[in-house]
Amino acid sequence: GENVEQHPSTLSVQEGDSAVIKCTYSDSASNYFPWYKQELGKRPQLIIDIRSNVGEKKDQRIAVTLNKTAKHFSLHITETQPEDSAVYFCAAPRYNNNDMRFGAGTRLTVKP
Amino acid sequence: EAGVAQSPRYKIIEKRQSVAFWCNPISGHATLYWYQQILGQGPKLLIQFQNNGVVDDSQLPKDRFSAERLKGVDSTLKIQPAKLEDSAVYLCASSLGSSSGGTFGSGTRLTVV
Repeated sequence: GENVEQHPSTLSVQEGDSAVIKCTYSDSASNYFPWYKQELGKRPQLIIDIRSNVGEKKDQRIAVTLNKTAKHFSLHITETQPEDSAVYFCAAPRYNNNDMRFGAGTRLTVKP
Repeated sequence: EAGVAQSPRYKIIEKRQSVAFWCNPISGHATLYWYQQILGQGPKLLIQFQNNGVVDDSQLPKDRFSAERLKGVDSTLKIQPAKLEDSAVYLCASSLGSSSGGTFGSGTRLTVV
């Protein structure tokens, strides 16, 4: 959706390196930000999310950071593995936290 | 818990024909979403239900698309008549509330020829 910008569109890293994907949103009232992983031919799966009352959330090798002032949030994957290869989508809601808008996606390739 | 069920998995129709998709959300999930995902793009929200009421349908092409969730559980999405550009995967998702991550179904891949 036009309210969520996601960069980069493609990202290639070597196994073991870190990967960072960034998203910006437009509605300052948004307070919930999920990240989804979609493997080829499969459904999007929620991998991590963050609410606006915290600045960072971590789950093993995955972390999300949120800067509400700048209206951007990022996904960080450390010690990447080939199975991390997929398309990653960020999302942010509009209008009283309904109407979830997705970014255009980032195709991550982790080279063994 | 059982996931979000969708049917059919695949559908091929000719342009100007009609098609309907069905979704059964996770039990107890009040919020249900229909998304359209064109190849290479992110999911685009078509309509969002809270129980049996429509919360948002601003991106639903209402001249040809319709959706209902009569009893606040299952939902159907209909396209009538279909156009070539409607070829996409139609994803249903559900969540406990409107401000939480949705769980997606496997989707219906529609091809309009």
